[in-house]
Amino acid sequence: IAGITQAPTSQILAAGRRMTLRCTQDMRHNAMYWYRQDLGLGLRLIHYSNTAGTTGKGEVPDGYSVSRANTDDFPLTLASAVPSQTSVYFCASSDRIAGEADTQYFGPGTRLTVL
Amino acid sequence: GQNIDQPTEMTATEGAIVQINCTYQTSGFNGLFWYQQHAGEAPTFLSYNVLDGLEEKGRFSSFLSRSKGYSYLLLKELQMKDSASYLCAVMDSNYQLIWGAGTKLIIKP
Repeated sequence: IAGITQAPTSQILAAGRRMTLRCTQDMRHNAMYWYRQDLGLGLRLIHYSNTAGTTGKGEVPDGYSVSRANTDDFPLTLASAVPSQTSVYFCASSDRIAGEADTQYFGPGTRLTVL
Repeated sequence: GQNIDQPTEMTATEGAIVQINCTYQTSGFNGLFWYQQHAGEAPTFLSYNVLDGLEEKGRFSSFLSRSKGYSYLLLKELQMKDSASYLCAVMDSNYQLIWGAGTKLIIKP
């Protein structure tokens, strides 16, 4: 079934630990995104990639890093987790064509708790 | 700054009609999206408006007025499964989505 997968589904992490959230899509979309969603707030963009080999910073990039080695995978790394990074993380992808708006499709999310 | 406003919560009755409003102030405009998000699940795409007017998709319709910075999502013949959060998002001049906090819609029998 075509779509986006994320792993793990949920994780409890000790503060200071390193963690990588995985995201894989099989729709051959060129653009991918990482968002966090917190209660009472809208989705906030962490990092994005318009095409393999390029990445950019979103609204809340501090404490997070990404890489885009190929079209399908877009991992998000927390180098040293802090409690304020407790959130639900969504990966999304879109078939972005330069200069045109497009629809984003979301993975199922990762619920991360940092203690 | 950029801002998307929508009501926090609305309640409606099964079988009725409900209108969820969204107002926005963004740096540029390249379209407005509505998504549905059931509790504990991912957002799923409902509609896209880039020109003024009404777009109809079955029981759901979405309206846009660019001059007023305003959109609404209209849900007809409400069903219990429509209980969810509805997210309004605007694509800005950098082709990034700016998201509202969402409207939680509660459907009562």
